[in-house]
Amino acid sequence: DIQMTQSPSSLSASVGDRVTITCQASQDIKNYLNWYQQKPGKAPKLLIYDAFNLETGVPSRFSGTGSGTDFTFTISSLQPEDIATYYCQQYDNLPLTFGPGTKVDVK
Amino acid sequence: EVQLVESGGGLVRPGGSLRLSCAASGFAVSKVWMTWVRQAPGKGLEWVGRVKRQTDGGTTDSAAPVKGRFSMSRDDSTNTVFLQMNSLQTADTAVYFCTTGSNTLGHWGQGTLVTVSS
Repeated sequence: DIQMTQSPSSLSASVGDRVTITCQASQDIKNYLNWYQQKPGKAPKLLIYDAFNLETGVPSRFSGTGSGTDFTFTISSLQPEDIATYYCQQYDNLPLTFGPGTKVDVK
Repeated sequence: EVQLVESGGGLVRPGGSLRLSCAASGFAVSKVWMTWVRQAPGKGLEWVGRVKRQTDGGTTDSAAPVKGRFSMSRDDSTNTVFLQMNSLQTADTAVYFCTTGSNTLGHWGQGTLVTVSS
């Protein structure tokens, strides 16, 4: 199975800050990577697909880059409604696997 | 508008069975792949398996921890997908989500909680 790691596991930032989360795959997954946002008590929501494509309706302050084994997810200007846990997910091979998540809090 | 509503969760003893339903609206389940993902309390997301659309054979893929115990199916006439869970273990305790898609999971239901405990 492809192992996904994320860092940091949690972070706290101020409104307006730039927030960056990294995701690393245990092997080359090309650009077969998605990012999801999960707010407390809610289902996950797709934000970014194929490493850098913004899902329809998702604010442009969210972005993704990377390919191969190293990926980055960025919130350009953190908003209070962005409090959530963010997960990366690979689909190069079955089983689909998710990173352990990064919990984002607002100071 | 796409909507997915899971039901059928509850408390079950180890070794027991449960069938989860996912009622879809706003699209036809016959035309898309459907995937189940679970989340143990306070933990991350885990892929459970998927059922392919009929034009792709309608077969299923399952994660190793549930293979042979869980099965997925679809009833196109009621636009519903199912997750049949047998020989349940305490490690299966989780919120179970149904989602659309095979690799990129675009729409999610609200989830249904399955608790396996004696």
